[in-house]
Amino acid sequence: DAGVIQSPRHEVTEMGQEVTLRCKPISGHDYLFWYRQTMMRGLELLIYFNNNVPIDDSGMPEDRFSAKMPNASFSTLKIQPSEPRDSAVYFCASSASSGRGYEQYFGPGTRLTVT
Amino acid sequence: GNSVTQMEGPVTLSEEAFLTINCTYTATGYPSLFWYVQYPGEGLQLLLKATKADDKGSNKGFEATYRKETTSFHLEKGSVQVSDSAVYFCALSRGGSGNTGKLIFGQGTTLQVKP
Repeated sequence: DAGVIQSPRHEVTEMGQEVTLRCKPISGHDYLFWYRQTMMRGLELLIYFNNNVPIDDSGMPEDRFSAKMPNASFSTLKIQPSEPRDSAVYFCASSASSGRGYEQYFGPGTRLTVT
Repeated sequence: GNSVTQMEGPVTLSEEAFLTINCTYTATGYPSLFWYVQYPGEGLQLLLKATKADDKGSNKGFEATYRKETTSFHLEKGSVQVSDSAVYFCALSRGGSGNTGKLIFGQGTTLQVKP
């Protein structure tokens, strides 16, 4: 399996622009997670889905952030409008409820820089 | 609620030294426990796991034993290498019917190994 795939790997944008991050989970996994990692705040869970349905979005910082999962093999995280404080590494992860312990598998991340 | 506490870093060791990174947890029921490793510029990778009390997870020379009596899951390695320099995260998922699919992460411990 190719693992969790994220694109783009790096994104540089100007404040006020829309940013869309993409994720393809591991085939057969029914959970998908979006995280944000910064030096100041560490690793934060933003939102997660089970069977394409959002379960908990309490970590989404504000209305500028939105996430969708239109099917089992694709999810997007959108920031509109972007701000410099959104600069971070965004990770997508997936897991399978059929596995023991629900271990998560992470993608390589998207490094977002908002200038 | 559920939480994970790791020893603060950075931990700096010389090559071939013995490593211990402490991790304690608070959880109801019988959680599964994990150690993840994050190398510079990469996503988190599952290093090892244990799903029930007294289980020992092991991988790449690292070990951790699920100790329910002390609510601990300390990571150990007998002889570290420069290539082990990374950030290590302890995590738990709630067990049984209480499992939501989420992982609760510790704050991470940075390990630096010097030649």
